[in-house]
Amino acid sequence: GAVVSQHPSRVICKSGTSVKIECRSLDFQATTMFWYRQFPKKSLMLMATSNEGSKATYEQGVEKDKFLINHASLTLSTLTVTSAHPEDSSFYICSATGTSGRINEQFFGPGTRLTVL
Amino acid sequence: SQQGEEDPQALSIQEGENATMNCSYKTSINNLQWYRQNSGRGLVHLILIRSNEREKHSGRLRVTLDTSKKSSSLLITASRAADTASYFCATDGGGFKTIFGAGTRLFVKA
Repeated sequence: GAVVSQHPSRVICKSGTSVKIECRSLDFQATTMFWYRQFPKKSLMLMATSNEGSKATYEQGVEKDKFLINHASLTLSTLTVTSAHPEDSSFYICSATGTSGRINEQFFGPGTRLTVL
Repeated sequence: SQQGEEDPQALSIQEGENATMNCSYKTSINNLQWYRQNSGRGLVHLILIRSNEREKHSGRLRVTLDTSKKSSSLLITASRAADTASYFCATDGGGFKTIFGAGTRLFVKA
């Protein structure tokens, strides 16, 4: 299957700083990328959907000024957590989709663990 | 709620036993998928079942789908300790987004 990478795999930062997480599709062009967050022992919650070259669509309750998403190319999307606080500590997972036949297949990155001190 | 429901939330079985996990969802779907996640890791896609399919097999996995009840089940036969993980169902909600269920944490004792 297609490969999606995330960088960094884990990051620790101080409260008030901003952190950027990259999501790359390595061997296919991703028309759409999704960003999820996952709290310990919980499920994945969709944060936003981003299409290359356009503004991201955020899910209800997700602050777009807090979680900045840029999808500048068909292989790269970035999530920037601005002015991070300890409650932003979470596991962030991206996924990317191209098309395969009539069903859009979604490929997940390995996740980024963010710890805000 | 964004999520569907899964039961049980946690399941502990002995190696060799079968494990059954259930998932219910809320909206019409085009397909339903099951994923596995080892602790602190990314997701591994297990199987996709389309809305016009009722059952699908892949190795030791068997998935059923009942669209009239908006439910699906994942059966893992002859479980192994290495099957210990969290299992999530995910639906497309009839659209383009993937919506995850709450997940079942499976623990297989050796």
